[in-house]
Amino acid sequence: NAGVMQNPRHLVRRRGQEARLRCSPMKGHSHVYWYRQLPEEGLKFMVYLQKENIIDESGMPKERFSAEFPKEGPSILRIQQVVRGDSAAYFCASSGTTGSDTQYFGPGTRLTVL
Amino acid sequence: GNSVTQMEGPVTLSEEAFLTINCTYTATGYPSLFWYVQYPGEGLQLLLKATKADDKGSNKGFEATYRKETTSFHLEKGSVQVSDSAVYFCALSKTGNQFYFGTGTSLTVIP
Repeated sequence: NAGVMQNPRHLVRRRGQEARLRCSPMKGHSHVYWYRQLPEEGLKFMVYLQKENIIDESGMPKERFSAEFPKEGPSILRIQQVVRGDSAAYFCASSGTTGSDTQYFGPGTRLTVL
Repeated sequence: GNSVTQMEGPVTLSEEAFLTINCTYTATGYPSLFWYVQYPGEGLQLLLKATKADDKGSNKGFEATYRKETTSFHLEKGSVQVSDSAVYFCALSKTGNQFYFGTGTSLTVIP
């Protein structure tokens, strides 16, 4: 029973490039959450999605960041025109029902912007 | 607003020592409280939780009690093992959809 999968595990980009991070939730889960962990900080909520819908994006930066969770395929977190400050670990979590207090986390994608 | 303040690390203990990792929170209303653990190279795993005041969460020898009067949820274990070496995160959630995490406390247990 596969858990939450994220790829790539490590991603290196130069300033100005685009970064695409993928998250496949646990089988049967339709709720996906993205978090960002900056160095020496805790995880910060970014966005909560259900299939084809963004439910809560209150933690997303207003510019350059976007997220989607299409009907088929993984959830994608996209960062356009990356800057050095975007270097962080990005974690995805999934849950089976809305309001469930158990979120299952993936191993994270570590983004390094040169 | 909602926030979690967690004891700074890193923490290094000898095997069989007693562990306490402090966690205090700020929240309106009555949040649920959690401890997550992250082993090297892996994602966060739920360790234990408590959903109302005076509840005690426990798992794998770890315990934490939801103290509303002190807004705390300290993690304790009576006798740590080398396999407990990991990063521990305290977190709260109001709705179950958005979690607020502490900065994490790294624990190393030496034989």
